[in-house]
Amino acid sequence: DGGITQSPKYLFRKEGQNVTLSCEQNLNHDAMYWYRQDPGQGLRLIYYSQIVNDFQKGDIAEGYSVSREKKESFPLTVTSAQKNPTAFYLCASSIFYRDRQNEKLFFGSGTQLSVL
Amino acid sequence: DQQVKQNSPSLSVQEGRISILNCDYTNSMFDYFLWYKKYPAEGPTFLISISSIKDKNEDGRFTVFLNKSAKHLSLHIVPSQPGDSAVYFCAAVPLGSSNTGKLIFGQGTTLQVKP
Repeated sequence: DGGITQSPKYLFRKEGQNVTLSCEQNLNHDAMYWYRQDPGQGLRLIYYSQIVNDFQKGDIAEGYSVSREKKESFPLTVTSAQKNPTAFYLCASSIFYRDRQNEKLFFGSGTQLSVL
Repeated sequence: DQQVKQNSPSLSVQEGRISILNCDYTNSMFDYFLWYKKYPAEGPTFLISISSIKDKNEDGRFTVFLNKSAKHLSLHIVPSQPGDSAVYFCAAVPLGSSNTGKLIFGQGTTLQVKP
């Protein structure tokens, strides 16, 4: 059963602590993304990766870091530099075709991060 | 600056009637639009999309209309069902951003369909 798995579902961060959110997909998708959702706002792009060992900053990358060592995995680290980390984090993936219009994104079920 | 706006935070309709969700955008340089549906504690799921070269796309009970001159799109659900109750996000793909996943999302509209 293919899909995107995010873990944990809920995560608490202490002041000054780095935390890592996991995202795994078995859809064989090339591209993966991290979005952040705040109450009353739309989703905003943090980072994206179109291919293994390569990734680009989105609109709100400050205070976050990612890695893409495997096609299936795209973990997001929320560093202590991110001063307002409380949000709902969504990982997504899509097929990547050059010279085609954007394919639809498939989302995971999200991780709610809160600050203690 | 919110480039994609959903000005109605919530909408309530009776089962069997039409639901109309609206979305406005400020940037003419979008070439593709999508609607996503989201249940609580779940990720959004793709619903329907429309290219900027079209003005209508239909898929079963769901139809999206695009009015480029007004920079407005709408999602029509006919007939509405209680299972349609969810948050609906409209999203736009900036020109030149195809295949990057760089969608610009609206704030979302919560639809409640009453039995």
